Amino acid sequence: AQSVTQLGSHVSVSEGALVLLRCNYSSSVPPYLFWYVQYPNQGLQLLLKYTTGATLVKGINGFEAEFKKSETSFHLTKPSAHMSDAAEYFCAVTHSGGYQKVTFGTGTKLQVIP
Amino acid sequence: DAGVIQSPRHEVTEMGQEVTLRCKPISGHNSLFWYRQTMMRGLELLIYFNNNVPIDDSGMPEDRFSAKMPNASFSTLKIQPSEPRDSAVYFCASRYRDGIYEQYFGPGTRLTVT
Repeated sequence: AQSVTQLGSHVSVSEGALVLLRCNYSSSVPPYLFWYVQYPNQGLQLLLKYTTGATLVKGINGFEAEFKKSETSFHLTKPSAHMSDAAEYFCAVTHSGGYQKVTFGTGTKLQVIP
Repeated sequence: DAGVIQSPRHEVTEMGQEVTLRCKPISGHNSLFWYRQTMMRGLELLIYFNNNVPIDDSGMPEDRFSAKMPNASFSTLKIQPSEPRDSAVYFCASRYRDGIYEQYFGPGTRLTVT
């Protein structure tokens, strides 16, 4: 079984401030972890992913996330928020194998205040 | 590649009518997912296919919903009869091979049932 918990359905930050979106997962086998972003009236698109190897992964638009097995976390960060970062962010978990479905978190809406 | 293609983009129908949503996955992808997104329930996985075979349809709300994938380049999600509570945005996503790869989402179909 697998699950994802995203703390905070809404997060507000000032432009230029640090962005921190939290994601904790539960998995009985080594996970593959993803962050997706959804802009208004669009589908989800990949920000970054962790599968194996380096635990700090970098994605598009200056975002990065660190896989911490001991904390079962995969938090998303960006040093300086930009107005264009306002969107909804989803954390997701799956495993190896072609029959594995993807479990998404409930999403966090990021508001950037000018 | 044109990405995942969904049609129609918007659908307004009356309660009791049949609705068919269509999806063309990215060529070469062999997993296809149907999701439903609402404000109340967030992003829900309805069904997913691997190599055109339904693997898990436990998310399909009830017998009014059915999905098919007759070949690798086409899938449909049908609702018959439709009800107002089916109003949502329906997303199709495809993925290459197994879980190490990310999903590519279509732009969604916004369904309104009056």
